[in-house]
Amino acid sequence: GIQVEQSPPDLILQEGANSTLRCNFSDSVNNLQWFHQNPWGQLINLFYIPSGTKQNGRLSATTVATERYSLLYISSSQTTDSGVYFCAVELDGTASKLTFGTGTRLQVTL
Amino acid sequence: DTGVSQNPRHKITKRGQNVTFRCDPISEHNRLYWYRQTLGQGPEFLTYFQNEAQLEKSRLLSDRFSAERPKGSFSTLEIQRTEQGDSAMYLCASSARTAEAFFGQGTRLTVV
Repeated sequence: GIQVEQSPPDLILQEGANSTLRCNFSDSVNNLQWFHQNPWGQLINLFYIPSGTKQNGRLSATTVATERYSLLYISSSQTTDSGVYFCAVELDGTASKLTFGTGTRLQVTL
Repeated sequence: DTGVSQNPRHKITKRGQNVTFRCDPISEHNRLYWYRQTLGQGPEFLTYFQNEAQLEKSRLLSDRFSAERPKGSFSTLEIQRTEQGDSAMYLCASSARTAEAFFGQGTRLTVV
């Protein structure tokens, strides 16, 4: 099956710092989503980004489908950004079933 | 409509008991998914409905698990004869044809 790997697995930042999270996938995908999982377990949608670049406030994402990777940028990090970030991909022909990556655990400190 | 709703949020059960979880998707979404997430891992796909039809089941879904979506609206996931290995977060998601999936808050199951 498809492999979805995220890096780094863990990241500690001071408040105000910038970071880049990476998602590599091993096969062609129809769609890609980035999620933030909060401490209560809820998955919050960040981006639905099968290709191209999107921005939402301090966050932006870029997916290069032909090279099979996506990047999530967090600028001016805040303590509320702490949590686990997942990318998830939809394989062609899998009716939107998502395969999740391994996750990046982010801790933002004061 | 405020999003995907799951009940209960937490469930503690004794080994061997049956449990049932409910998911109410976003009203205009015809696709509904169940995922399971264990500690330190990403969610894993369990099963998928399009309207009332269950179209795909993961091999993770043993014979003790059954899911239904009567009338293509809410869905239930039942686990019979629970085992300690069933302890996990059970997540429900829904999507429309555009395919962006939205998740509920999850049901955290603890089997003691």
